[in-house]
Amino acid sequence: AQKITQTQPGMFVQEKEAVTLDCTYDTSDQSYGLFWYKQPSSGEMIFLIYQGSYDEQNATEGRYSLNFQKARKSANLVISASQLGDSAMYFCAMRGEDTGGFKTIFGAGTRLFVKA
Amino acid sequence: NAGVTQTPKFQVLKTGQSMTLQCAQDMNHEYMSWYRQDPGMGLRLIHYSVGAGITDQGEVPNGYNVSRSTTEDFPLRLLSAAPSQTSVYFCASSKYRGGTDTQYFGPGTRLTVL
Repeated sequence: AQKITQTQPGMFVQEKEAVTLDCTYDTSDQSYGLFWYKQPSSGEMIFLIYQGSYDEQNATEGRYSLNFQKARKSANLVISASQLGDSAMYFCAMRGEDTGGFKTIFGAGTRLFVKA
Repeated sequence: NAGVTQTPKFQVLKTGQSMTLQCAQDMNHEYMSWYRQDPGMGLRLIHYSVGAGITDQGEVPNGYNVSRSTTEDFPLRLLSAAPSQTSVYFCASSKYRGGTDTQYFGPGTRLTVL
């Protein structure tokens, strides 16, 4: 069965510093996708970054990068140069072929607080 | 493109009432799904659809019905609301159902059942 684990319920980071949000996953699929979403206090789910299981390079999108370690089954999100607007809930998610790709599994989330 | 839209944004129901949460997308996506978000539990899949006329159950389907008569619309019906259905509901869509395909979410509907 697929599972996503986010072990950090809350994180604090100083403005302009980098922060890493942890995510580990479990799947028996060979082909899968890993996603990070941001949920600000307004409630919407904003797609940040995607990593495919066969991608050899770590994904990057602006200040976001995904540290993908396939053997360890980890997909940590790195936010560089944190901004006050980065304060939000962050969800790691996985979509695989185990159930025909229909199901996206989400972790419980990490709440990030950026301090001025 | 408006993306994924949901109505209403907020709703209060009494136990036993029924209602329909609306979801529409204008991106010609084949795959649409409904999730509920409860505190500390992330998002859980309620129902999904891989195209017009085709729907199936997710993790937590009890108490909900769906239908997909067009590619654009995917309404979620609560048959007889219960306090346990108090949650935030998200509709999502993606072009295909594959593991490499990003899902895009609507703004959510916050439902309270008294």
